[in-house]
Amino acid sequence: GESVGLHLPTLSVQEGDNSIINCAYSNSASDYFIWYKQESGKGPQFIIDIRSNMDKRQGQRVTVLLNKTVKHLSLQIAATQPGDSAVYFCAVNFGNEKLTFGTGTRLTIIP
Amino acid sequence: GAGVSQSPSNKVTEKGKDVELRCDPISGHTALYWYRQSLGQGLEFLIYFQGNSAPDKSGLPSDRFSAERTGGSVSTLTIQRTQQEDSAVYLCASSLDSLNEKLFFGSGTQLSVL
Repeated sequence: GESVGLHLPTLSVQEGDNSIINCAYSNSASDYFIWYKQESGKGPQFIIDIRSNMDKRQGQRVTVLLNKTVKHLSLQIAATQPGDSAVYFCAVNFGNEKLTFGTGTRLTIIP
Repeated sequence: GAGVSQSPSNKVTEKGKDVELRCDPISGHTALYWYRQSLGQGLEFLIYFQGNSAPDKSGLPSDRFSAERTGGSVSTLTIQRTQQEDSAVYLCASSLDSLNEKLFFGSGTQLSVL
């Protein structure tokens, strides 16, 4: 079946360093990918998205990379800040009008 | 309102009772989704509404779960005869339409079944 998996359930990064969170998906026909950030007690918040016709997209301090060959997605956060501490989810649209979410990576920024 | 609104934010109930969870999507959004998030887990799709089309109920875990969306806006998720395994955060999201996959989430309802 269609699935989305994350490589690491937890990640700790020193404040100011860059962080990379990885995600793998199962269906090569997927055409839309999205990263969400979820802080404690809140719903997921949109960070950045990318379509399958691109392999890189940049936002403010964040970059999403898409490798369709190996079905891998990553989120890079530059110059991490304490406010970046949260759980990060990747989500994939498998062409059925709903997003399938990974299990999340808890990112902890160490002051 | 400015965002997706869910109520109540917390609900504690006894096993066997029915509960209703409410979602107010962003004004003008035609697509509405319900997801469930168990402790430390990802989001599990439950049900999806798009305009006047028949809802996609493929994620509902049992026939104790049902949802409706009145007037194409507010949605209610009902869980009958609640069980302890129903304890989770229930998240509602809306999007502009089914072709716009960017979902905007509410803060969720934390359901605890004792």
